[in-house]
Amino acid sequence: EPEVTQTPSHQVTQMGQEVILRCVPISNHLYFYWYRQILGQKVEFLVSFYNNEISEKSEIFDDQFSVERPDGSNFTLKIRSTKLEDSAMYFCASSGRDRGGKLFFGSGTQLSVL
Amino acid sequence: EDKVVQSPLSLVVHEGDTVTLNCSYEVTNFRSLLWYKQEKKAPTFLFMLTSSGIEKKSGRLSSILDKKELFSILNITATQTGDSAIYLCAVEPEGRRALTFGSGTRLQVQP
Repeated sequence: EPEVTQTPSHQVTQMGQEVILRCVPISNHLYFYWYRQILGQKVEFLVSFYNNEISEKSEIFDDQFSVERPDGSNFTLKIRSTKLEDSAMYFCASSGRDRGGKLFFGSGTQLSVL
Repeated sequence: EDKVVQSPLSLVVHEGDTVTLNCSYEVTNFRSLLWYKQEKKAPTFLFMLTSSGIEKKSGRLSSILDKKELFSILNITATQTGDSAIYLCAVEPEGRRALTFGSGTRLQVQP
């Protein structure tokens, strides 16, 4: 069964550094997402991406965050200047055109900001 | 602001028991309610519910939605240790793609 893959599985960085989290969505999907889950808290929506542009973003997704689909397969989340509170599990997800909220999630990248 | 409340927060049962997990919600312009299972890391899709009163079923799992009372339940019959996980409820508003998740119910099934 096709799956969403994310790399790396763990990322440790120093506060103020830039990180790029990488995802390969399911190949025929059209919508791509980033969610995050701070330890012990709810899964939170960050951003959705469709047709090479952001279609929706949350209040969390401020100017330090950006997303990109640099080629036909990868989907990246960049955090420009990491803060301690950015430490979380970041999930990439994708969905087909008519599948609504039926998202396929990757296994996540655990980001630790020291 | 959309809101999802799940109960109980945590549940311990023995193999063979039947469990009912609850989800209440508030959402502007409801489109669907979804259930996901989260074991180690990634949530995996279980059900999408859009209409009241129609039960969705997959093996020992079933779910139903009440759009009047803004409520859904997830039932698991004859529980197995492999059912141990966090069960997440989420709502999808019409015209938007952002899901709002609840805090989840942590289910532990003991042998």
